[in-house]
Amino acid sequence: GQQLNQSPQSMFIQEGEDVSMNCTSSSIFNTWLWYKQDPGEGPVLLIALYKAGELTSNGRLTAQFGITRKDSFLNISASIPSDVGIYFCASSKVITDKLIFGTGTRLQVFP
Amino acid sequence: EAQVTQNPRYLITVTGKKLTVTCSQNMNHEYMSWYRQDPGLGLRQIYYSMNVEVTDKGDVPEGYKVSRKEKRNFPLILESPSPNQTSLYFCASSLGGPTYNEQFFGPGTRLTVL
Repeated sequence: GQQLNQSPQSMFIQEGEDVSMNCTSSSIFNTWLWYKQDPGEGPVLLIALYKAGELTSNGRLTAQFGITRKDSFLNISASIPSDVGIYFCASSKVITDKLIFGTGTRLQVFP
Repeated sequence: EAQVTQNPRYLITVTGKKLTVTCSQNMNHEYMSWYRQDPGLGLRQIYYSMNVEVTDKGDVPEGYKVSRKEKRNFPLILESPSPNQTSLYFCASSLGGPTYNEQFFGPGTRLTVL
């Protein structure tokens, strides 16, 4: 089935650094969602994007819905230890009952 | 507390021994779903349910069954587990479809099939 490709697969950064990750597909999508999974927990929704070009912030997190509708970006500013986890993008082509999830970006933050 | 609960959290079993993983939500959500998480593959949907007695296949339904007899419960059944079903399983629920309604995930069930 269709998959969303996330990059990088993993990141090792120092506390205080900014982080950028993206999610791409060969298909056009109408929705982009970003989830975070803390170690040992289920994913939690961070940001939802519903319009091409849309830029949305949630605290230190900023996400954008790509103009081509084939990608999305998530930026984290001034990283802190609790940012550690796996970040997933998710999307759907139309208003359906199904979401497709990306392969995930694993983030490690060192003090 | 609003939550999605799964049981058991950890399970080790042998090939062919039927098992059920339970999922329950206390938020009166209509939509419930099961995912499996494997390294490098992200989350893949197994089955979902839009309401009581309404279920549909996700992307990887082979080897799994579900039922939705009550709104709050959505058990995942493995009639004859095989080693390739070793994975981390998540149940999730939302008020409506997950595109426009926030999905809440359970804590996960780590299944090992020997």
